[in-house]
Amino acid sequence: DVKVTQSSRYLVKRTGEKVFLECVQDMDHENMFWYRQDPGLGLRLIYFSYDVKMKEKGDIPEGYSVSREKKERFSLILESASTNQTSMYLCASQGRDEQFFGPGTRLTVL
Amino acid sequence: QKEVEQNSGPLSVPEGAIASLNCTYSDRGSQSFFWYRQYSGKSPELIMSIYSNGDKEDGRFTAQLNKASQYVSLLIRDSQPSDSATYLCAVDTGRRALTFGSGTRLQVQP
Repeated sequence: DVKVTQSSRYLVKRTGEKVFLECVQDMDHENMFWYRQDPGLGLRLIYFSYDVKMKEKGDIPEGYSVSREKKERFSLILESASTNQTSMYLCASQGRDEQFFGPGTRLTVL
Repeated sequence: QKEVEQNSGPLSVPEGAIASLNCTYSDRGSQSFFWYRQYSGKSPELIMSIYSNGDKEDGRFTAQLNKASQYVSLLIRDSQPSDSATYLCAVDTGRRALTFGSGTRLQVQP
C-alpha cells in the first residue's frame, strides 16, 4: 500500500510566521503535489513536482514556495503566513496515473 | 466553464437504493478518470479509475465513461449509510496534475 504522511495534522501559526509543511511518500513516485481545500472551492493545486529539484506552479502558487531535495519528500513553505492561508492542506503522490493523498494538515493562521 | 463539473448536492438516497453521481469535463483529450471518496474531515481516498469507454465494475461500485459525451459517472449499488461522503471526480487533462471537480455530497438515509 502506498503511504503518504504529512508532518502535522493540526497547526496554528501567527500572521507573518514562516511555515513549513512536510510530506513524505514511500513508493518511489516521481510526482508529488500540494493542494489546499476550502469549503465551496474544492481542491486547488498550489504546486507540483515531477522530479527532484523540479517544480511547477499550479493554479494558486502566490504566497507559497516548495522544495524537493529528495525524491520521497516534498515541502510546502509559506514565507509569511497570512489569515487567508487558513485552510486544509493536502499532499498527494502519483504513481502511473492515480494520486494518493496524505491525511492532510489543517492550518490556522491567527 | 469549469474544466470538471459536478452537482454539489446533497444527493439523498434511501439505504439499499442505487446512487448515481455524475461528472462532465471540458477537455476532449482527457484520457484518465478517477473517483475519490472523501469523508468529512478526512483526505480523499481513491475508489475507482477508468480509462476506456464503457463500464468498469468493482464490488458495489460501477464507473461509466462516455468520451463522446465527455461524461463520467459513478453508480453505487445497495447504498449504505457508510457511503455518505463527498465524491470527487478527477480528470487527467495531460498537464501532469489531475483536475478535480468540486464534489457531490451523498447522503444515504437509513
